[in-house]
Amino acid sequence: NAGVTQTPKFQVLKTGQSMTLQCAQDMNHEYMSWYRQDPGMGLRLIHYSVGAGITDQGEVPNGYNVSRSTTEDFPLRLLSAAPSQTSVYFCASRIQIYSNEKLFFGSGTQLSVL
Amino acid sequence: AQTVTQSQPEMSVQEAETVTLSCTYDTSESDYYLFWYKQPPSRQMILVIRQEAYKQQNATENRFSVNFQKAAKSFSLKISDSQLGDAAMYFCAYRSGNYGQNFVFGPGTRLSVLP
Repeated sequence: NAGVTQTPKFQVLKTGQSMTLQCAQDMNHEYMSWYRQDPGMGLRLIHYSVGAGITDQGEVPNGYNVSRSTTEDFPLRLLSAAPSQTSVYFCASRIQIYSNEKLFFGSGTQLSVL
Repeated sequence: AQTVTQSQPEMSVQEAETVTLSCTYDTSESDYYLFWYKQPPSRQMILVIRQEAYKQQNATENRFSVNFQKAAKSFSLKISDSQLGDAAMYFCAYRSGNYGQNFVFGPGTRLSVLP
């Protein structure tokens, strides 16, 4: 198992450009989510999905779109990048079997918007 | 909405000593879970310890233990016999029970371990 794979690891964009952060997991987890990490603010939830075809907004969804066409993939789209979206982005998937749960994180994408 | 607060942006500890990281949270729910995650410079997020709110017994994992005070809504992490590899950012996190799947993270505490 590769776990949760995020690409790219680093990205620099100009204001107004669009891009997609890729996230894939090979563990057949239903739940997947995207967080952004900013200094002094911890990780904040952007969007999440509880299964293919089902997505919902988190705490900070503005400026981001997601879709979930398959269980494996959960891409995050920035339609028109803004400097305020400079951050480190994490994708995570979760599994819970009775009381045993685990949250798997990707290695993160460091995004700079100039 | 639930909130998680970590009042210590930075902490330091001498190698082999003990350090306690503080976390408080705000919720009106009775069923929830609390976590401590470690983020080393590699950016990897590593689960340190998990606590169920309905359990009075404090969770322990080797050198890591928590002091869970439900009435005070406090969830501190104690690291005993600190090692250089413990240096990292530590995040306290909350998840609702009753089928809740989303996590609320605190702002983090950066722990330095001095040789």
